[in-house]
Amino acid sequence: DVKVTQSSRYLVKRTGEKVFLECVQDMDHENMFWYRQDPGLGLRLIYFSYDVKMKEKGDIPEGYSVSREKKERFSLILESASTNQTSMYLCASSFSRGPGEQYFGPGTRLTVT
Amino acid sequence: SQQGEEDPQALSIQEGENATMNCSYKTSINNLQWYRQNSGRGLVHLILIRSNEREKHSGRLRVTLDTSKKSSSLLITASRAADTASYFCATPSYFNKFYFGSGTKLNVKP
Repeated sequence: DVKVTQSSRYLVKRTGEKVFLECVQDMDHENMFWYRQDPGLGLRLIYFSYDVKMKEKGDIPEGYSVSREKKERFSLILESASTNQTSMYLCASSFSRGPGEQYFGPGTRLTVT
Repeated sequence: SQQGEEDPQALSIQEGENATMNCSYKTSINNLQWYRQNSGRGLVHLILIRSNEREKHSGRLRVTLDTSKKSSSLLITASRAADTASYFCATPSYFNKFYFGSGTKLNVKP
């Protein structure tokens, strides 16, 4: 079974803190994605990576950065957390070839106070 | 944007009834996928339909695709309380980057 794990299920941070969210997949997928999910807004793509050290901005990259040093690990970094970044963060991965079915992690609910 | 949009936003039915959700998208696609999300969890892939297919079945799920209308529907037959979840359609773009809609929230009452 494909497994995508995220470092925390729940996280509470203070405004201005640097926050790291980590995602690990065990299926040797080339593509990895970070989304945030807010009520009424669906899933919005923050960043994605199609190979090690390669990344592309999604629809809402402002305030975020990412790192992919190893194929199985994709990190989302909030450089200086703000209250409007309180959200559910979902990581996903997929093969680059084929229909691209995405496998999701369980999500991290981040609260910034 | 190729964003899929689901309709209705919310649906409440009794156990045993059928549930139908619709999805519209904006540009041409190679395939369209449906996902389910249980409350507070990640999404799980349900079914994929390719652009040259009109209908596909998987257990109690039936998906149709009308590329001329740029729409798809997901039918869940004989629904169960365990089907209570949010359902999303997704259309892949380059690098298999996906566009998801806001989802249909299905509540199946026992």
